Amino acid sequence: GAVVSQHPSWVICKSGTSVKIECRSLDFQATTMFWYRQFPKQSLMLMATSNEGSKATYEQGVEKDKFLINHASLTLSTLTVTSAHPEDSSFYICSAPRDSHYEQYFGPGTRLTVT
Amino acid sequence: AQKITQTQPGMFVQEKEAVTLDCTYDTSDPSYGLFWYKQPSSGEMIFLIYQGSYDQQNATEGRYSLNFQKARKSANLVISASQLGDSAMYFCAMREGRTQGAQKLVFGQGTRLTINP
Repeated sequence: GAVVSQHPSWVICKSGTSVKIECRSLDFQATTMFWYRQFPKQSLMLMATSNEGSKATYEQGVEKDKFLINHASLTLSTLTVTSAHPEDSSFYICSAPRDSHYEQYFGPGTRLTVT
Repeated sequence: AQKITQTQPGMFVQEKEAVTLDCTYDTSDPSYGLFWYKQPSSGEMIFLIYQGSYDQQNATEGRYSLNFQKARKSANLVISASQLGDSAMYFCAMREGRTQGAQKLVFGQGTRLTINP
């Protein structure tokens, strides 16, 4: 099946710094990718839709200036958490649907801890 | 309004028994898709099964089957002959609209399933 990778798998950063998370579709092209956030013992909440060649679409309540999304190519989307704070500590997961397939392929996730 | 509702925060089942995880949904779109994902402690999301709103038969994938009751707007996951490795969080999710690929998913709250030996 299709594979989506994320890098890094976990990261610890200090408050006030920025962190970049990469999401790659390894064997297919993805014009759209989705970024989710999951707090402990909670469900996945969609943060934004990443569109290749255009601006990302953010869900209500998600700060676009804090969570910068860049869909640089048909196989890569990046999420940058700017000026991270401890409350940004969470599990970030990306997904990519392969066109004409109903299934969305999820990356393995990135665990961010802000100290 | 909650679009996907999973009313069972936790389920405990004996190994080899069958288990049903509940999921109800709410949509006014006649075209939609329903998914079940398994999330073990590692965090990865594992696709289990899919049911389209126009599918005539209930979806099945190995030990997984989806009990789709359209009029009741329910899409329960049935796992037959449960195994210890089935212990995980299970999420029901819905995609609205006709486009198969680029539609976002809305997830339910999840059910933590524990299989006892």
